[in-house]
Amino acid sequence: QKEVEQNSGPLSVPEGAIASLNCTYSDRGSQSFFWYRQYSGKSPELIMFIYSNGDKEDGRFTAQLNKASQYVSLLIRDSQPSDSATYLCAVKRNTGNQFYFGTGTSLTVIP
Amino acid sequence: DTEVTQTPKHLVMGMTNKKSLKCEQHMGHRAMYWYKQKAKKPPELMFVYSYEKLSINESVPSRFSPECPNSSLLNLHLHALQPEDSALYLCASSQGLAGLFAQYFGPGTRLTVT
Repeated sequence: QKEVEQNSGPLSVPEGAIASLNCTYSDRGSQSFFWYRQYSGKSPELIMFIYSNGDKEDGRFTAQLNKASQYVSLLIRDSQPSDSATYLCAVKRNTGNQFYFGTGTSLTVIP
Repeated sequence: DTEVTQTPKHLVMGMTNKKSLKCEQHMGHRAMYWYKQKAKKPPELMFVYSYEKLSINESVPSRFSPECPNSSLLNLHLHALQPEDSALYLCASSQGLAGLFAQYFGPGTRLTVT
């Protein structure tokens, strides 16, 4: 079983819609969860992190964490064409130095 | 400021060349990372330094040699690379080791081995 799993997509949503990106993880000892956005040919950019169960909102982005279900999601409201990118979910255990990445979900926002 | 810088941005090298990649951060972060990323794949961890000591080496071939001269700098020395080593090489840093710290990436070095 992979440490972190994401649907690879591609996920297509119309402009202005809500994009929902999902991620599951296998280690119940995982403590911190991150969403990165990566444009083609560029490096990953941190957009959200969450540590506690529930929702965390930052502008158009909402991260949701459910530790009981080992599930973390990212919602993008009012999606824009500039949101078209690959979104990487990363998970870190409370001990150790390693971040575990999912394979990423490709999002396309259609004007 | 969450800036990690990397030089050069692009590098083309032959299989017999020796070159180095450089990474720098001035955020006081104590953990620094090297990743390799191929197209349409997630970053693949190569090395982790914590407090300037090598903490993780993910069974990387010896033609890649990391170095951490001080807490702000991380180098990756390259020698006798193969064409399949062509990739985006990413440096990252985080404030600490265990615990709730985010990881920030530099812009990467696009390496082509001819």
